[in-house]
Amino acid sequence: AQSVAQPEDQVNVAEGNPLTVKCTYSVSGNPYLFWYVQYPNRGLQFLLKYITGDNLVKGSYGFEAEFNKSQTSFHLKKPSALVSDSALYFCAVRFLDNAGNMLTFGGGTRLMVKP
Amino acid sequence: SAVISQKPSRDICQRGTSLTIQCQVDSQVTMMFWYRQQPGQSLTLIATANQGSEATYESGFVIDKFPISRPNLTFSTLTVSNMSPEDSSIYLCSVERDGEQFFGPGTRLTVL
Repeated sequence: AQSVAQPEDQVNVAEGNPLTVKCTYSVSGNPYLFWYVQYPNRGLQFLLKYITGDNLVKGSYGFEAEFNKSQTSFHLKKPSALVSDSALYFCAVRFLDNAGNMLTFGGGTRLMVKP
Repeated sequence: SAVISQKPSRDICQRGTSLTIQCQVDSQVTMMFWYRQQPGQSLTLIATANQGSEATYESGFVIDKFPISRPNLTFSTLTVSNMSPEDSSIYLCSVERDGEQFFGPGTRLTVL
């Protein structure tokens, strides 16, 4: 069965420092990988995705993520954090052979960026 | 992209009653999904709704509790039946388009 894990419930970063939000997945096929962000009292917003090609994917708001097949990871990164990046981040996975096209979400990681 | 609206945005309901949540998409889509996000937790898929067929429910969710309608390619409803406080959650509608999945703003349900 497919699964995705976000090992950290919360990540604390000082503004201007680089940030990493971790995501690992378990797969029996080739995955589509996604990152979403949820700001307080707002819906999920798509950040970026990996389907194929370059392992480093660039997305919205300066975020990027690196697909590492050997480590089955898809960590979200940003070189310089902003206070406004504080939100709940979800990693999600879907598999190419999944006829249902459903997304499986990780448990979420709360990012706190302090001034 | 896809623009998705949901009604109501929030509601407070009494135990034992039912609430129907509406989801409207700005253009036709084949598959619509309903998710639940319990307070402080991740998203869990309730069911997948295709137009013209019965919804497919995930483990732990049944049609009697969460009946779904999909009358056309831009609209769906999810009913939360015979509610209890454990049903207090955010319910999100979602669609897939061009390999991306888009989400509605959610319906925040509180059951007293």
